[in-house]
Amino acid sequence: AQSVTQLGSHVSVSEGALVLLRCNYSSSVPPYLFWYVQYPNQGLQLLLKYTSAATLVKGINGFEAEFKKSETSFHLTKPSAHMSDAAEYFCAVSDTGRRALTFGSGTRLQVQP
Amino acid sequence: DGGITQSPKYLFRKEGQNVTLSCEQNLNHDAMYWYRQDPGQGLRLIYYSQIVNDFQKGDIAEGYSVSREKKESFPLTVTSAQKNPTAFYLCASSIKWGANEKLFFGSGTQLSVL
Repeated sequence: AQSVTQLGSHVSVSEGALVLLRCNYSSSVPPYLFWYVQYPNQGLQLLLKYTSAATLVKGINGFEAEFKKSETSFHLTKPSAHMSDAAEYFCAVSDTGRRALTFGSGTRLQVQP
Repeated sequence: DGGITQSPKYLFRKEGQNVTLSCEQNLNHDAMYWYRQDPGQGLRLIYYSQIVNDFQKGDIAEGYSVSREKKESFPLTVTSAQKNPTAFYLCASSIKWGANEKLFFGSGTQLSVL
């Protein structure tokens, strides 16, 4: 069975500060890992995905995530936060067994001026 | 522009009433999905369809029904058997069914109980 744990339902950073959103997964087979972003009252958009080609994955809007198998983690980072980054972020996992995405509970990012 | 259209944006259900949420896509995608979003719980899969005329139950299918008679349409009916229907419902699609596929989402329908 696959599952995702996102540590911290709310994260607040200052504009220009490092963003770190944590995600740990469990999967019985090699996983595919995703980060999606949701702006208020909207659907989700894909930020980036890991598909085993490279452990460091670069996404849109300056975000990146690193797959660490030994830690079963896929944390999302951005060197410098912008006000427009304020949104809810979801980590998700799928594998060749289940195929459909399993989402984490989400982390709401607040960016302070 | 290609995309996924969900309607209505807001919907109210009375006790004992069935309501249907619309989802239409013009992306020519084979696979479509319905997710339910509750605060603090992330998204949970209700139903999915790998291809037209086929659909499968997800993790929380009880009290819901779907159909997939056309490739572009995947309506969700919330029946009176769903005792806690208040949630934000998201429809999504992907080019094909697979573990590695990017999902494209609609803008959602907020369902509330009167």
